[in-house]
Amino acid sequence: DVKVTQSSRYLVKRTGEKVFLECVQDMDHENMFWYRQDPGLGLRLIYFSYDVKMKEKGDIPEGYSVSREKKERFSLILESASTNQTSMYLCASRPATDSSGNTIYFGEGSWLTVV
Amino acid sequence: GQNIDQPTEMTATEGAIVQINCTYQTSGFNGLFWYQQHAGEAPTFLSYNVLDGLEEKGRFSSFLSRSKGYSYLLLKELQMKDSASYLCAVRELLVTGNTPLVFGKGTRLSVIA
Repeated sequence: DVKVTQSSRYLVKRTGEKVFLECVQDMDHENMFWYRQDPGLGLRLIYFSYDVKMKEKGDIPEGYSVSREKKERFSLILESASTNQTSMYLCASRPATDSSGNTIYFGEGSWLTVV
Repeated sequence: GQNIDQPTEMTATEGAIVQINCTYQTSGFNGLFWYQQHAGEAPTFLSYNVLDGLEEKGRFSSFLSRSKGYSYLLLKELQMKDSASYLCAVRELLVTGNTPLVFGKGTRLSVIA
């Protein structure tokens, strides 16, 4: 059974703290994604990675960085958390080639509150 | 860049049919997806269209017109459990050759008795 695991479901952090959100997939997928979801704004792409050590900015990369040192793990880093980064963060993965087009898998989400 | 539009909210009656529309503008198109998301949960895949026409899967169907930048999701024989958000997403082909999935803001569907 396919699995995308986000290490923390609920986090509360203070403004200015460095925050790590971890995501691990066990499907040997090349592509991994980080989104955030906010009411009225939908799912917005922060960063994605198409291979180990490779990354590309999404629509809202400001205030975030990512790390992909191993194929199965994609980390989202908030260098200095701010209250406007309070959100639900979703990790997803997908193989490089998917003939059916439907094989994107989501983790369960991480709810981050910055106070 | 991309722009994906869908209605914010819709209400429909149990047993009825509802159509959720999605229009999109992208610099490079590589497929359109529909996802269902219940409150507090991750999105789950419903359908995928890459060619024009209708794809049917049980009570759910999805239509695509690439020339019009238009898709719809059709839900038949609505059930209370269909109350959820429905997300339209476009797989965008970037100049880098990468194909991230970009989502619309979602349509919150309420099914009433």
